[in-house]
Amino acid sequence: EMQLVESGGGLVHPGESLRLSCAASGFTLSRYWMHWVRHAPGKGLVWVSRIKSYGSDTVYADSVKGRFTISRDDTKNTLYLQMNSLRAEDTAVYYCVRDGLGQVDMDVWGKGTTVTVSS
Amino acid sequence: AIQMTQSPSPLSASVGDRVTITCRASQGIGNDLSWYQQKPGKAPRLLIYAASSLQSGVPSRFSGSGSGTDFSLSISSLQPEDFATYYCLQDYSYPLTFGGGTKVEIK
Repeated sequence: EMQLVESGGGLVHPGESLRLSCAASGFTLSRYWMHWVRHAPGKGLVWVSRIKSYGSDTVYADSVKGRFTISRDDTKNTLYLQMNSLRAEDTAVYYCVRDGLGQVDMDVWGKGTTVTVSS
Repeated sequence: AIQMTQSPSPLSASVGDRVTITCRASQGIGNDLSWYQQKPGKAPRLLIYAASSLQSGVPSRFSGSGSGTDFSLSISSLQPEDFATYYCLQDYSYPLTFGGGTKVEIK
């Protein structure tokens, strides 16, 4: 069974850092582009970042550019999101998402990990 | 960034109704659009990709159509498990953008 399991969320103060991890199982992570998507309380879904297969190319939403870094370790079948200089508006559930092959879009989602930024 | 505008929201309907949700892009996106269903406290689930292709395992009562700027998701006969929030997503260009969501509520 294909599965993504996020971890690393928690409660932090503004300006602090967190690193989210996403462990993939049931498929070969290296073949796939991967995304992070977040869902703030009472709001809609927001795309955060994408990394291509084999880690060669990354892109970010303007709201996180320069503060967040997406990376992957295909030897560990794990995706990461390093989040620095966290703000209250970064509070959300963060989902790790697989981008399907070909035209198929975000076809496998993790259950999410909650990040709360509050003083 | 491409803006995605969904309507209506919310949408009140009864079991057995045919419902249609629309999504309009601020510029042409070809058929680079997908639809997702999300229930409270759960991760989103892919329903439709490439505007009209049904994802494996998704019931055939779901269908998608459209291209360019105007798209729609239809549910032919609403079932109790279909009450949820639905989002469109464009992946034509970065940043990827979701619509604001359409909550399908019980009338």
